[in-house]
Amino acid sequence: NAGVTQTPKFRILKIGQSMTLQCTQDMNHNYMYWYRQDPGMGLKLIYYSVGAGITDKGEVPNGYNVSRSTTEDFPLRLELAAPSQTSVYFCASSPGGGNQPQHFGDGTRLSIL
Amino acid sequence: KQEVTQIPAALSVPEGENLVLNCSFTDSAIYNLQWFRQDPGKGLTSLLLIQSSQREQTSGRLNASLDKSSGRSTLYIAASQPGDSATYLCAVKANQAGTALIFGKGTTLSVSS
Repeated sequence: NAGVTQTPKFRILKIGQSMTLQCTQDMNHNYMYWYRQDPGMGLKLIYYSVGAGITDKGEVPNGYNVSRSTTEDFPLRLELAAPSQTSVYFCASSPGGGNQPQHFGDGTRLSIL
Repeated sequence: KQEVTQIPAALSVPEGENLVLNCSFTDSAIYNLQWFRQDPGKGLTSLLLIQSSQREQTSGRLNASLDKSSGRSTLYIAASQPGDSATYLCAVKANQAGTALIFGKGTTLSVSS
């Protein structure tokens, strides 16, 4: 009963490096989301997808890219890591919009030094 | 722009006490409101979802109320237990489409035995 799985759980990057945060869900959900959570702050949406091949920007998309080639996977790409991207990243999914709750992964803790 | 505020930021209570967590939002035109629980180092777990047409939802010792006109929601926890210690997040959804939740910063609850 995996739900939403995020890898890696922790990562340290140097400024200017790139990496991909992986997210996969096994619930056949159409909608997927990427959020970031900074210390003492609420979550903010980076990107979301309403189905394979469809993505759109959220509140804080700068410095990130996403793709959605399958229903299960929604990777988040950091191209040129900056210290401002140090955060905890959460992936979430839901069956659709409307009144269906979002299911969250355990997060990826990313530090950029 | 929708803003969600949670008061207090932190709360400490002895075991067995009943308590109320508060959430307020600036735009009353919401589609639904969700309460989440976040344990340290973990993702978010959905506790209760209140649709805009509803006044309250209950699950076990938890009861969430919604007053859209005043922009307020409360989460009532009865007979608190040490296992209830966590951060509780409130989030509102603006519309039926699959866009993001707008989160508050959370209330960190500590229940002592």
